[in-house]
Amino acid sequence: EVQLVESGGGLVQPGGSLRLSCAASGFTLTSYDMNWVRQAPGKGLEWVSYISSSGRTIYYADSVKGRFTISRDNAKNSLYLQMNSLRAEDTAVYSCARSGGGYYSYMDVWGNGTTVTVSS
Amino acid sequence: EIVLTQSPGTLSLSPGERATLSCRASQSVTSSYLAWYQRKPGQAPRLLIYDASSRATGIPDRFSGSGSGTDFTLTISRLEPEDFAVYYCQHYGGSPLTFGGGTKVEIK
Repeated sequence: EVQLVESGGGLVQPGGSLRLSCAASGFTLTSYDMNWVRQAPGKGLEWVSYISSSGRTIYYADSVKGRFTISRDNAKNSLYLQMNSLRAEDTAVYSCARSGGGYYSYMDVWGNGTTVTVSS
Repeated sequence: EIVLTQSPGTLSLSPGERATLSCRASQSVTSSYLAWYQRKPGQAPRLLIYDASSRATGIPDRFSGSGSGTDFTLTISRLEPEDFAVYYCQHYGGSPLTFGGGTKVEIK
């Protein structure tokens, strides 16, 4: 079964850091471009970041640029999101999602998400 | 940035009825690069439609997508009990990728 499972969420104080992980099963992450998408409480979906299969092309939403870093370890079949200088408005469920092909694409496989709460 | 506005916010229908969901873009979506997703509480979003009208793998034919330019529609021809969920549209014709605010389809 094709599956994505996120981990690493939790409660963090404003200004703190967290590192999210996304593990793939049922397919080889190496072959796919990947995204992080978040959903704040009571809000819609918001694209956060994209990384190409090689890791050479990366994009960020303006809301996280300079604070978040997307990366991947193809040897471990895993995707990561390093989140620094966290703000209350970063509170959300963060999901990783497989791109259907390239940055300009739909997302055909999603994880359930991991919850990040930024609060003092 | 393309802003996607979904309407209505909530649709109250009975099983067996037809559901028509709208997604309107603030500017024309390149090449009809628009997708629809279904999300149920505690579950991952599920891709239903891509390229405005192509059904994703394994999606029942009661789901159909249509539209071009700035106006897109997701139609569920006859609602099944498992179809009650929140539906989101997403464009991928430009940067950044954006989603609509969602339409909740609830049981009347």
